[in-house]
Amino acid sequence: QKEVEQNSGPLSVPEGAIASLNCTYSDRGSQSFFWYRQYSGKSPELIMFIYSNGDKEDGRFTAQLNKASQYVSLLIRDSQPSDSATYLCAFRTGNQFYFGTGTSLTVIP
Amino acid sequence: DVKVTQSSRYLVKRTGEKVFLECVQDMDHENMFWYRQDPGLGLRLIYFSYDVKMKEKGDIPEGYSVSREKKERFSLILESASTNQTSMYLCASRPGTGVYEQYFGPGTRLTVT
Repeated sequence: QKEVEQNSGPLSVPEGAIASLNCTYSDRGSQSFFWYRQYSGKSPELIMFIYSNGDKEDGRFTAQLNKASQYVSLLIRDSQPSDSATYLCAFRTGNQFYFGTGTSLTVIP
Repeated sequence: DVKVTQSSRYLVKRTGEKVFLECVQDMDHENMFWYRQDPGLGLRLIYFSYDVKMKEKGDIPEGYSVSREKKERFSLILESASTNQTSMYLCASRPGTGVYEQYFGPGTRLTVT
């Protein structure tokens, strides 16, 4: 059984702070990793993907991957109230994607 | 921009009815997926298709079937709807190779009474 574990939260951070979201996965054969953001009542939208060990930065977002520890994280710098959402971690093996249950983030103005 | 559309945003059906959920993508993607999303359980894969007329069962195929007669269209069928199939249904598509992500449709909130 391929599994993705996320802390369901809720996670609350003040506006302007760094939000840190974490995810572990069970399948060492996983090929790429994704972070999706999902607003209430909406479908998931991609924030970032990463497939090499290390950090990948895109604007205020940084994804970090450590394949040896089977761990992937997402840092959101200068958090804004509009970042309040559920964040889904996912990994891909072959043609299939496996999703975590999501971490709920609230950014307090 | 990739566009994935689903036939209905909200649907209410009665127990025992046959239900069709349609998904259409406009980017010539090979792979298409059907998920359901329930609180605390996350996204669970029902079926996916990697080519026309090809399908693979996901984690929870029981009570569902699918059809993919054309590349752009992937249909989910509930043969005899039950109350435990009340859920948000999400369709997604992606190219057949590479690290590309899945693109999601807006979702269909199905209520079975």
